[in-house]
Amino acid sequence: KAGVTQTPRYLIKTRGQQVTLSCSPISGHRSVSWYQQTPGQGLQFLFEYFSETQRNKGNFPGRFSGRQFSNSRSEMNVSTLELGDSALYLCASSLTGQGTEELFFGEGSRLTVL
Amino acid sequence: GDSVTQMEGPVTLSEEAFLTINCTYTATGYPSLFWYVQYPGEGLQLLLKATKADDKGSNKGFEATYRKETTSFHLEKGSVQVSDSAVYFCALEATGGYQKVTFGTGTKLQVIP
Repeated sequence: KAGVTQTPRYLIKTRGQQVTLSCSPISGHRSVSWYQQTPGQGLQFLFEYFSETQRNKGNFPGRFSGRQFSNSRSEMNVSTLELGDSALYLCASSLTGQGTEELFFGEGSRLTVL
Repeated sequence: GDSVTQMEGPVTLSEEAFLTINCTYTATGYPSLFWYVQYPGEGLQLLLKATKADDKGSNKGFEATYRKETTSFHLEKGSVQVSDSAVYFCALEATGGYQKVTFGTGTKLQVIP
């Protein structure tokens, strides 16, 4: 079956702009979570969605937001981009989001902010 | 809060050498523990997991045992291959965390022929 698909794979923005990233989970998976990966901080949890509801949120400013649609696809948005937002943004899906479930990751969207 | 500490890399080993990557954690309660692997140009994928104390996770010749008394989950493999070259992440999820997985910083492993 198809894996987790993230688009776009690469993008370049300038400071102050906003960006929207998309994630299509594995068919049947209803939980989608987002992570930011940087060389200095590693992987950091952004938020998790299940049935269009945000159930958990990491320690990121309000500029980072997300949503989930009825077909479980998810988007995340970053407004007023800063240089420090340059990172690989990873989406992961699982069946229900319960603690022992395996996360299935996409290949990520690499954002560069100039 | 929850945290995971793993040995810094890069780790360079010759083929067929023994591998240990240390991982310790801090968490309340009884978290689930994971090792994820990221091969070059690919997304992270689960390597193995353990959900309670003294559980041993294993996959592809890799093993890790959930040690609550030492809060550790060290990854081991008896004989590494070139194809094992990747970045390895230790991770935990607290009970009821809804996929709020805390990852270590990753350890890059390079296996040379």
